[in-house]
Amino acid sequence: DGGITQSPKYLFRKEGQNVTLSCEQNLNHDAMYWYRQDPGQGLRLIYYSQIVNDFQKGDIAEGYSVSREKKESFPLTVTSAQKNPTAFYLCASSIGALGAGYTFGSGTRLTVV
Amino acid sequence: AQSVSQHNHHVILSEAASLELGCNYSYGGTVNLFWYVQYPGQHLQLLLKYFSGDPLVKGIKGFEAEFIKSKFSFNLRKPSVQWSDTAEYFCAVATVTGTYKYIFGTGTRLKVLA
Repeated sequence: DGGITQSPKYLFRKEGQNVTLSCEQNLNHDAMYWYRQDPGQGLRLIYYSQIVNDFQKGDIAEGYSVSREKKESFPLTVTSAQKNPTAFYLCASSIGALGAGYTFGSGTRLTVV
Repeated sequence: AQSVSQHNHHVILSEAASLELGCNYSYGGTVNLFWYVQYPGQHLQLLLKYFSGDPLVKGIKGFEAEFIKSKFSFNLRKPSVQWSDTAEYFCAVATVTGTYKYIFGTGTRLKVLA
């Protein structure tokens, strides 16, 4: 079955440590996205990538970094510069630029202690 | 700045009641419109979408939404809800401005009482 795999499902890190969240898709989608979901705030875009080796900042990119070395993979690093990293992180992909709709992963819940 | 507003944050209905969830956006250009649903413990999934044509679109599980361009609205409706419709619903707008971007609303939590 085609889909998006996010791992791990739950992640705990100490404050001050960088952590990388994995996102892999086998849908052959060009575009991939990272969103952060917080209660009462909906989904906020962190980074997105329309093609390999290219990505753009979203609305809340500060404290995060990404790479897109392969079409299938779009890992997100939450750095120590992110002031409030505890959140639910969602990865998504879509076929193309005009938005056929997203396919979402199951998410990673990051807790920083 | 572009934005999407979902005015109802929490909605509680009894089974068989009718549902209407509001969604308004602020953007004057071309948009694609979506409703996503997140059932408890599950992925976000696409409920329905509007790109062009008939402004009344039908989605899965008996949901429909109407695009009213003059009101910048894309409200979600269902004539008779079921307990299994308990979920969080997100409206999303994709603006086509060279580099595309999706904007999500803050979500509406629907609880249907059996």
